[in-house]
Amino acid sequence: QVQLQESGPGLVKPSGTLSLTCTVSGDSINTTNWWSWVRQPPGKGLEWIGEIYHTGSTNYNSSLKSRVTMSVDKSKSQFSLKLTSVTAADTAVYYCAREIVASGTYYFDYWGPGTLFTVSS
Amino acid sequence: SYELTQPLSVSVALGQTARIPCGGNNIEYKSVHWYQQKPGQAPVLVIYRDDNRPSGIPERFSGSNSGNTATLTISRVQAGDEADYYCQVWDSSAGVFGTGTKVTVL
Repeated sequence: QVQLQESGPGLVKPSGTLSLTCTVSGDSINTTNWWSWVRQPPGKGLEWIGEIYHTGSTNYNSSLKSRVTMSVDKSKSQFSLKLTSVTAADTAVYYCAREIVASGTYYFDYWGPGTLFTVSS
Repeated sequence: SYELTQPLSVSVALGQTARIPCGGNNIEYKSVHWYQQKPGQAPVLVIYRDDNRPSGIPERFSGSNSGNTATLTISRVQAGDEADYYCQVWDSSAGVFGTGTKVTVL
C-alpha cells in the first residue's frame, strides 16, 4: 500500500520560508510517476503548487513559480517543497500526492493526510 | 490559464441521483478526473480519465465528458456521499482544479 506523509514546521513568520518534506513508502520514488504538492487554504478549494520527477525535473504553478523550489532525495524516498517570502495568503493545508501519468494526462491517486501550515507573527 | 467552473453546491435526496457539472472551454478534448473530499480528510480519487473508476470506488460513481461540460454522476446517493467534489485536468504542463461543489444529501 502506497503511503505519503508530510512533515515540517507548522508555523512560520511573515516573509519567512515554508519547508515541507513528503516521505513515500510502499512505492519507489524512482518510477515513471511524478510527485506533486497541492494546497488548500482554510474553507477554500484545491490549488496545485508543482511537481517533481525522480531525475529532479520540475514544473511549477506559474502563480507561485518565483517563490517555489522542489527537490528530491531518492536515498530517503523523500521529496520536498520550499516556498519563500510567505504571507498570510500562504496559510493552508499542504498535501503531497503521487501523480499517475496516463495517455497524456496526469492525476493524483495517492495523497498524504495533509499538514496545516500557518503564517503568523 | 485554463479555468474549471463548478456550482458551489448541489442538493440531492437520499437514494436519488446527483449530477455535478464541471465547465471548461472545449473540455471534451481533455481528460477529466474527479476527487471526493470529506471534512478534515485528504481528497480521494473517484473517477479518472473521464469515466474510469479506481479500485474500491462503488459503481454508483460514473463520469462523462462532452462539449464544454464534464459531469460526475452519483446514483442512489447515500448519506456517506455528502462531501466536496473537485474536477481536475492537466493543461500546459500544470494541474488545474475546479472550484469545488459541496454535495448535500437531504
